[in-house]
Amino acid sequence: SQTIHQWPATLVQPVGSPLSLECTVEGTSNPNLYWYRQAAGRGLQLLFYSIGIDQISSEVPQNLSASRPQDRQFILSSKKLLLSDSGFYLCAWTPGTVYGYTFGSGTRLTVV
Amino acid sequence: DAKTTQPPSMDCAEGRAANLPCNHSTISGNEYVYWYRQIHSQGPQYIIHGLKNNETNEMASLIITEDRKSSTLILPHATLRDTAVYYCIVPNAGKSTFGDGTTLTVKP
Repeated sequence: SQTIHQWPATLVQPVGSPLSLECTVEGTSNPNLYWYRQAAGRGLQLLFYSIGIDQISSEVPQNLSASRPQDRQFILSSKKLLLSDSGFYLCAWTPGTVYGYTFGSGTRLTVV
Repeated sequence: DAKTTQPPSMDCAEGRAANLPCNHSTISGNEYVYWYRQIHSQGPQYIIHGLKNNETNEMASLIITEDRKSSTLILPHATLRDTAVYYCIVPNAGKSTFGDGTTLTVKP
């Protein structure tokens, strides 16, 4: 069966520090991968999605970047965090374009 | 994405049916409607999806109008554990934005 792993679960980082959040999917190949961010009490904002290695689309201009070094690995990064980067970050995958998302357990990031 | 519109909040008595509406008037003919729910501090969980016909699984039923411009998620016997935010989405090209959803509060 397919599983998605996302870590860490919580993270407190100072302003100006770098960020690296990792997401991996097991039990499937060539998944579509997604990074979402959720502000407190709000819906999910799509940040990046990828349909293959080196095929990453950015939905919202921001202080973040994404990379997909392997087929089932998706990384969210920042060189210098801002206070506004705080939020709940969720990784998700789908096997194609018409199937439902499976989400990871999320990373709660607090920038101080 | 086809835009979806949901009421911000609803209440339901425990043991009663919860009916959560969603409008998606710009949906195209080959786009599916998906429903998810999110319990606090967790990732959203898939509930059900449909294209044209009504669907039922162990969690819920999905009723889609004949013109496909709206749908209703039905939780037949709501429990306190069904208290969550419910999202209706219509993915396009494999990607979607989840709006604010409907916060369902099941009350004893």
